[in-house]
Amino acid sequence: AQRVTQPEKLLSVFKGAPVELKCNYSYSGSPELFWYVQYSRQRLQLLLRHISRESIKGFTADLNKGETSFHLKKPFAQEEDSAMYYCALQDSNYQLIWGAGTKLIIKP
Amino acid sequence: DTEVTQTPKHLVMGMTNKKSLKCEQHMGHRAMYWYKQKAKKPPELMFVYSYEKLSINESVPSRFSPECPNSSLLNLHLHALQPEDSALYLCASSQYVDSNQPQHFGDGTRLSIL
Repeated sequence: AQRVTQPEKLLSVFKGAPVELKCNYSYSGSPELFWYVQYSRQRLQLLLRHISRESIKGFTADLNKGETSFHLKKPFAQEEDSAMYYCALQDSNYQLIWGAGTKLIIKP
Repeated sequence: DTEVTQTPKHLVMGMTNKKSLKCEQHMGHRAMYWYKQKAKKPPELMFVYSYEKLSINESVPSRFSPECPNSSLLNLHLHALQPEDSALYLCASSQYVDSNQPQHFGDGTRLSIL
């Protein structure tokens, strides 16, 4: 079955600390994975996609096919990173399968 | 213009009313989507349009009726909604339905059913 798992509903870290938001997937083919972010009262927006292998707002995510993971990382959290983060997998019909989301809170 | 614009931002309606949600994009995208999002939950896909034709209907009740008048516009007509239909309704677009290009989302319409 195709599935995306974000095991943490809530993650709270102090400003300046490293952040890792976990995402595991179940998919038989070659996965196309995305991280979307939803800041308070703002639209859902693309943060990263694995195919581009870029860093946005200091975040990176590496696809690990062996562990079927696509964890989102940032070495030093900032208060403006507080938001809801969704990991999503594009299925064979090109539709998005969403994880349940992780709410990230950065404490001052 | 790299945005998806949705109107209205908020809508309160009674269960017997008829209203419409509107979505517009001018990025030349040929795929458009309606999602429903409950608080603190991921979006749930409702409908997908490809080249102005309905390509996916995720078993959505008939009280929701989508319409794609042209390649830039997407409407969602609402009639006889139930209180459980209260949610944030998101419109999104992407270059094509069958590509790995990301979806671009609008701000959403926050719908409350009395």
